[in-house]
Amino acid sequence: RKEVEQDPGPFNVPEGATVAFNCTYSNSASQSFFWYRQDCRKEPKLLMSVYSSGNEDGRFTAQLNRASQYISLLIRDSKLSDSATYLCVVANTGNQFYFGTGTSLTVIP
Amino acid sequence: GAGVSQTPSNKVTEKGKYVELRCDPISGHTALYWYRQSLGQGPEFLIYFQGTGAADDSGLPNDRFFAVRPEGSVSTLKIQRTERGDSAVYLCASSLLGSGNTIYFGEGSWLTVV
Repeated sequence: RKEVEQDPGPFNVPEGATVAFNCTYSNSASQSFFWYRQDCRKEPKLLMSVYSSGNEDGRFTAQLNRASQYISLLIRDSKLSDSATYLCVVANTGNQFYFGTGTSLTVIP
Repeated sequence: GAGVSQTPSNKVTEKGKYVELRCDPISGHTALYWYRQSLGQGPEFLIYFQGTGAADDSGLPNDRFFAVRPEGSVSTLKIQRTERGDSAVYLCASSLLGSGNTIYFGEGSWLTVV
């Protein structure tokens, strides 16, 4: 079983739409959770950390459900510049980081 | 520089040749990671260093792959007898140790085996 599972998409949404991505992880002892963004032929970059209480950064909201072992990312008022691949990342107690396959988002004018 | 630096950025090599990929992490970052990413996939874990030692090398696909970090800073990923299936982007990342710390990636080394 993979450490992290994501729906690869693609998600094609119009500008201004709200879109949500989910991801599940297999190790209940996982400690830290993140969303990374990766543009085409670029390296992954941190979008935001995910906390148990949920956290928001502008149009982006991340949630963690430890009981169900899933993480979500909500993007409101989508912009063309949001088009990218969004990677769910889970870190265990040994400082090892595991990545999902990524979810592709295209925002259409 | 301030970020993770990887060289070469692109490498084309013939099947069967030996390749070295270098990573210079962010200054002060004790943890260093190597990942491999193929088209349409997420980064696949290869090996993780804490300081000079490999804390986890369980992701190395076979014994043709080896990595070192002799002085606890720069790391080299070595691939012997390259195969066409080794073609991918090899990403290096570094972080501070400790729970909750994020990892920062270099721009990757794009390896093509022909």
